[in-house]
Amino acid sequence: DTAVSQTPKYLVTQMGNDKSIKCEQNLGHDTMYWYKQDSKKFLKIMFSYNNKELIINETVPNRFSPKSPDKAHLNLHINSLELGDSAVYFCASSQGQGVTKNIQYFGAGTRLSVL
Amino acid sequence: RKEVEQDPGPFNVPEGATVAFNCTYSNSASQSFFWYRQDCRKEPKLLMSVYSSGNEDGRFTAQLNRASQYISLLIRDSKLSDSATYLCVVILSSASKIIFGSGTRLSIRP
Repeated sequence: DTAVSQTPKYLVTQMGNDKSIKCEQNLGHDTMYWYKQDSKKFLKIMFSYNNKELIINETVPNRFSPKSPDKAHLNLHINSLELGDSAVYFCASSQGQGVTKNIQYFGAGTRLSVL
Repeated sequence: RKEVEQDPGPFNVPEGATVAFNCTYSNSASQSFFWYRQDCRKEPKLLMSVYSSGNEDGRFTAQLNRASQYISLLIRDSKLSDSATYLCVVILSSASKIIFGSGTRLSIRP
């Protein structure tokens, strides 16, 4: 019974296309995140939502648009895909934002390849 | 200076050895600290939180030095299964910023 699940696991697409990655957590957590891990393995936060509200929005091109229909879901839509978007995208969730609540649980990742 | 820095390694040590690595952070407002483990082509998983007084979980010991702004991870009696990349995570107060280190690769040889 997967706690944080994201789909698809692999995504291969052409430059210029629009694609979405979905994420769901069944842990009852209030906060969800999207991270990007590039080829050099740096893991960088992109967005964070708490109870459907955006709380962290790092410097990310506006081609990336997160959407949180409810606190158990945080989807990532990417417009006009570029070669540099190729990476592994991880979704994560945490109980909340406080010191004792921000332990993060990650999904298995979506490996995006833009050709 | 990077906000969070780790020695990338790789650390290549024999089974049974003790290995330690550090992670330095630059922002004194940092409030929460963690060590995560990431296996090849897998997601990061929490190894342990790091508490001010230091904490131990079996063969693993984590320490925080606020004065010098670093956290450390000590692994005793290393096992082959400890081979992985270890990521330190620093969270600023109010969770306004979450920063992962670039990871330290550890390889345990038989």
